[in-house]
Amino acid sequence: GESVGLHLPTLSVQEGDNSIINCAYSNSASDYFIWYKQESGKGPQFIIDIRSNMDKRQGQRVTVLLNKTVKHLSLQIAATQPGDSAVYFCAENIWQGGKLIFGQGTELSVKP
Amino acid sequence: DTEVTQTPKHLVMGMTNKKSLKCEQHMGHRAMYWYKQKAKKPPELMFVYSYEKLSINESVPSRFSPECPNSSLLNLHLHALQPEDSALYLCASSQVLGNTIYFGEGSWLTVV
Repeated sequence: GESVGLHLPTLSVQEGDNSIINCAYSNSASDYFIWYKQESGKGPQFIIDIRSNMDKRQGQRVTVLLNKTVKHLSLQIAATQPGDSAVYFCAENIWQGGKLIFGQGTELSVKP
Repeated sequence: DTEVTQTPKHLVMGMTNKKSLKCEQHMGHRAMYWYKQKAKKPPELMFVYSYEKLSINESVPSRFSPECPNSSLLNLHLHALQPEDSALYLCASSQVLGNTIYFGEGSWLTVV
């Protein structure tokens, strides 16, 4: 499955499909970006990060893409599993500020 | 599992009570944070400490009073709260400002 447009609040995919979660950031001075996963009743869990001098970074089953031209960030999850169901937040950090600004979040629902 | 520990996990307090939320990390991190999160919303920054000194106060009402007794501990003192202050309060830490921020599981606060 693939999200349509930006700021999509919910995304429903079939188990085994790939998921793409999009995020637009606002500050061109942001130099560090993080994706967090938050399951119900828990705190945000770090997934993957990327610095502004990169445009792609891969982890285990996850890939983050950064397009600085249009200030867009995406998280790709390969072979989505029921355990991936959660709210996903992108966050941007401005160097030296220590201020992490969160996007509105996307709720991912995985159907078995 | 997160290495940022928050207590208590749940707290119910009256509007005239005084209570405290506690946070501890043993990762040697020198930056610590308090965030507030309402249901279905992203976390919002409240306070940032860097090397035990308050670095950022996001115009938080004085009924919330942070304290950083040492580099491993962060407290949030609560007094005369309002029902609208009911939320999940998240503590987080990072090695230094600008590095990856790791969250605890949060303290669920209900003000009655």
